[in-house]
Amino acid sequence: AQSVSQHNHHVILSEAASLELGCNYSYGGTVNLFWYVQYPGQHLQLLLKYFSGDPLVKGIKGFEAEFIKSKFSFNLRKPSVHWSDAAEYFCAVGASYNTDKLIFGTGTRLQVFP
Amino acid sequence: KAGVTQTPRYLIKTRGQQVTLSCSPISGHRSVSWYQQTPGQGLQFLFEYFSETQRNKGNFPGRFSGRQFSNSRSEMNVSTLELGDSALYLCASSGRNEQFFGPGTRLTVL
Repeated sequence: AQSVSQHNHHVILSEAASLELGCNYSYGGTVNLFWYVQYPGQHLQLLLKYFSGDPLVKGIKGFEAEFIKSKFSFNLRKPSVHWSDAAEYFCAVGASYNTDKLIFGTGTRLQVFP
Repeated sequence: KAGVTQTPRYLIKTRGQQVTLSCSPISGHRSVSWYQQTPGQGLQFLFEYFSETQRNKGNFPGRFSGRQFSNSRSEMNVSTLELGDSALYLCASSGRNEQFFGPGTRLTVL
């Protein structure tokens, strides 16, 4: 069955701390991988995506993610979080031939304290 | 370029009623996908339309249906509403291998 697992449902960090959010997926075939962010009261927006090539992808706002095929993982990282990074983060996977049907993880809520 | 718009933004219905939600994609986008977002289940794929044809479907009962018009605008309909249908319904349009999400319609079923 196709699924995405986000290990941490709720993460609390102090400003300037490093962030790593785990994401593992189960999906037959070649995949495209995404991280979306949902700030309070705002739309879901794309942070970064991986289709092929360099497994380390960089996104907006200093975020990056590494695709490790052997581990079926696509973890999100940021070296130093800011209070404005407080949001809900969703990992998603889609078939490489059709990214119009995405399977999402249940999300990780990030809180950042000064 | 205007983003994805969804109407209405909020809706309150009672059990047994039916509801229709509307989504206007970004200009030029021909694919529209619908998702249901709930606190317990997260985002779950409902269906996707491309050029007025349903191309993908998730695991939802037949009470959930949709359609797409020639101008790519899409509607989804839920008949015989149940309390568990209370959720945020998100629409996304696709371009350049990326989905762009609308603000959602918050449906509350009483």
